[in-house]
Amino acid sequence: GEDVEQSLFLSVREGDSSVINCTYTDSSSTYLYWYKQEPGAGLQLLTYIFSNMDMKQDQRLTVLLNKKDKHLSLRIADTQTGDSAIYFCAEMAGANNLFFGTGTRLTVIP
Amino acid sequence: GAVVSQHPSRVICKSGTSVKIECRSLDFQATTMFWYRQFPKQSLMLMATSNEGSKATYEQGVEKDKFLINHASLTLSTLTVTSAHPEDSSFYICSARLASDEQFFGPGTRLTVL
Repeated sequence: GEDVEQSLFLSVREGDSSVINCTYTDSSSTYLYWYKQEPGAGLQLLTYIFSNMDMKQDQRLTVLLNKKDKHLSLRIADTQTGDSAIYFCAEMAGANNLFFGTGTRLTVIP
Repeated sequence: GAVVSQHPSRVICKSGTSVKIECRSLDFQATTMFWYRQFPKQSLMLMATSNEGSKATYEQGVEKDKFLINHASLTLSTLTVTSAHPEDSSFYICSARLASDEQFFGPGTRLTVL
């Protein structure tokens, strides 16, 4: 299967920006996704980017895609304690196959 | 990293039949597996949490008699969609969780009910 990699942990202070990084392997990916999982809850789709885009901004969230390096990042501006969660990136590769990273646990320090 | 497989990757069935989807952790043991359902461009909806050797815990609104989950071993969980209807057509994804909290996801199964 495809290999999607993320760092396991990230800690930031409240009010700072968080940047969560992800690398993937399939250059034919059509969509790339960011999901958020709060404790005990399912995955919530935060945002997605089509592979022909470089950047997408949605309020405090900015997604950057570097297709050449197969690198995806999620920036959260003005990080709040409510942003503490596990963040998963995923790529859609092949016919409807979603490949997820292992998740990055974001801890926001008050 | 660890690998989770799902089988089949795609299935088409007639209305009223039952379909079984398998989720396997290939190189690790998972005491907990999760089943999700995804509608196009929507969030993954957690259906149930499956613990090896015990009954699955279903989320509110998920019919346990319709979506049968069996977690018979530390490497295999199955989801059976009973008496499938067209509205059950969806993308079903499983994940397996390690004690370290890492989750590994299967590639998903596309179910189409005619």
